[in-house]
Amino acid sequence: EVQLLESGGGLVQPGGSLRLSCAASGFTFSSYAMSWVRQAPGKGLEWVSAISGTGVTTYHADSVKGRFTISRDNSKNTLYLQMNSLRAEDTALYYCAKHWSARVDTATDYWGQGTLVTVSS
Amino acid sequence: EIVLTQSPGTLSLSPGERATLSCRASQSFAGSYLAWYQQKPGQAPRLLIYAASSRATGIPDRFSGSGSGTDFTLTISRLEPEDFAVYYCQQSGTSPHTFGQGTKLEIK
Repeated sequence: EVQLLESGGGLVQPGGSLRLSCAASGFTFSSYAMSWVRQAPGKGLEWVSAISGTGVTTYHADSVKGRFTISRDNSKNTLYLQMNSLRAEDTALYYCAKHWSARVDTATDYWGQGTLVTVSS
Repeated sequence: EIVLTQSPGTLSLSPGERATLSCRASQSFAGSYLAWYQQKPGQAPRLLIYAASSRATGIPDRFSGSGSGTDFTLTISRLEPEDFAVYYCQQSGTSPHTFGQGTKLEIK
């Protein structure tokens, strides 16, 4: 059974940093691309970042480029999102999602339950 | 950036009726990169359709997807009570992998 468990969310002041983690199990982690998608309270889905199965290819939304970095450790079956220079508008529930192939240009077939990030003073 | 515009914003229908949801793109792209997701309150999104018209594992055949280029459609042939939710389209062919703003399907 595929499982994705996000962690690392919390309350942080504007300008601060957080690192989100997503522990994956139930599939061969290195064979699949992964993404982070966020959802602000009461709002729609916003794609944040994606990474290929090997970790060589990464993409970020313009709204987070230069501040957020997606990475993965295939030996630990874990996906990360390093978030720096956080802003109030980054407040959201952050989902980790598995793509159905190693390529990032595919749909995401499994999602975690999310970890909440709140940026406020 | 490819902007996806979903319509209508809210669709009010009764169980048993047919639902037609639209997703229009600001520029043409291959249908193989278009997916539809369902999200219920307090839950993570669930993949319904990938590559514009292929049903994901376990998705009932009352859900179908169609379209190409800039116009894509999700159709639910006969609404069941559990189908009332918010639906999103997403394109993954070009970064950023944008979502539409969502269509809320509510019980009339």
